[in-house]
This record gives sequence, C-alpha cells and structure tokens, in this order.
Amino acid sequence: AQSVTQLGSHVSVSEGALVLLRCNYSSSVPPYLFWYVQYPNQGLQLLLKYTSAATLVKGINGFEAEFKKSETSFHLTKPSAHMSDAAEYFCAVTTSGTYKYIFGTGTRLKVLA
Amino acid sequence: DAGVTQSPTHLIKTRGQQVTLRCSPKSGHDTVSWYQQALGQGPQFIFQYYEEEERQRGNFPDRFSGHQFPNYSSELNVNALLLGDSALYLCASSLAGGNSYEQYFGPGTRLTVT
Repeated sequence: AQSVTQLGSHVSVSEGALVLLRCNYSSSVPPYLFWYVQYPNQGLQLLLKYTSAATLVKGINGFEAEFKKSETSFHLTKPSAHMSDAAEYFCAVTTSGTYKYIFGTGTRLKVLA
Repeated sequence: DAGVTQSPTHLIKTRGQQVTLRCSPKSGHDTVSWYQQALGQGPQFIFQYYEEEERQRGNFPDRFSGHQFPNYSSELNVNALLLGDSALYLCASSLAGGNSYEQYFGPGTRLTVT
C-alpha cells in the first residue's frame, strides 16, 4: 500500500523568500508522484509530476520538485515566493496498475508581504 | 479544449435524502474517478469508472454508487445522506492506457448535509 506524509500543515514565508513544502511517500513499488495546488473554493490544479523520467521535475509557476528515492521524498520548492502562491498544496502518489491517487493532508502556504 | 466540468456547484440536502452529482471528463479522456474532500483534509478516493464499469473502489460504504455513460460522463450517487457526507466532491478524468497516470480535476461540487 502507498501513503503520503506532508510535514507542516501550515507554512508561512515572506514574499521573495524560498518556498519549501515537504512530502515523503511510502511505496513498495516504484511510485508516480504529483503536486497539486488548490485555491479557495476551487478544484485541484496539477503543478508537476514525476513518472520515472528525470528526478528533477519542473512545473508551472516556477515550482520544481526533486525525487529522492533514498530519502523517499518529493519536496516542492520555488526560489522566490509570490503573493499569488498562497494556496493549499497537496502531494499525491500512485503506482502502475493501481488507479487511485493517495493524497497527503495538505500544506497551506501563506505568503507574507 | 473543455476541461473537467461538474454540476451542480453547490448543493444543500437534508440527512436521509439522496443526491446525484454529475461530471463530464476532459475531451479525449475515457476514465473518471471520484474523490471526497472533507474540510481541512486531502481528497479520498471513492471509485473509478472505465468502460462503464467500476474498476476500483476506495473504502466507502455501498451508499456511494456511480455510473458511467457511453459518452464517458459520470454520476456519483449517495443515498441515506449523513452529516459526515458534507464535503467537496471532486471528479477527475484521465486516459486509460496512458503512461503519465495524470488525472485532471474538476472544480468540485460542495455538498452540505443538514
């Protein structure tokens, strides 16, 4: 079975500072990993995905994530936070042959002016 | 290119009633998954439909049922509503056989049970 742990339910950063949102996964087979963003009262928008190609994945809006098998991590980063990045971020895992995503509990990002 | 659409946007029901939520997948997609997102939580997988059959089911009671139509659109039905069924219900579509395992999510239906 797969699982995802997102450390830090709330993260605050200053505008222009580095954003680091943590995601650790558990999977007995090679995982596929995703980061989604959710703005208030909206659905989920895909930021980026890891599907066994390059371990450093670049996504939309300047976000990127690095798959580290040895650490079972897939942390999301952005060099410089913008006010518009304030939202809830979800990490999700799935594997070949299964059809469901397992989501973490989410991290709410607050960007301070 | 139309993305995933869901209707209605909001819904208020009384405990014990039944509700039907609808989803149209992204153009070209043939698979629909449903998720329940309780307040402050991550989405939880309910089930997935492919070729008009339920392909996989999460840990949800039989009160939750679904259907997929020949045009790939889908419905989620919940019977005997409980207060705990209040949540955002998300529909996601994907393409079977693809190797990206990417799911595209709709805006959701906010269900409130009173």
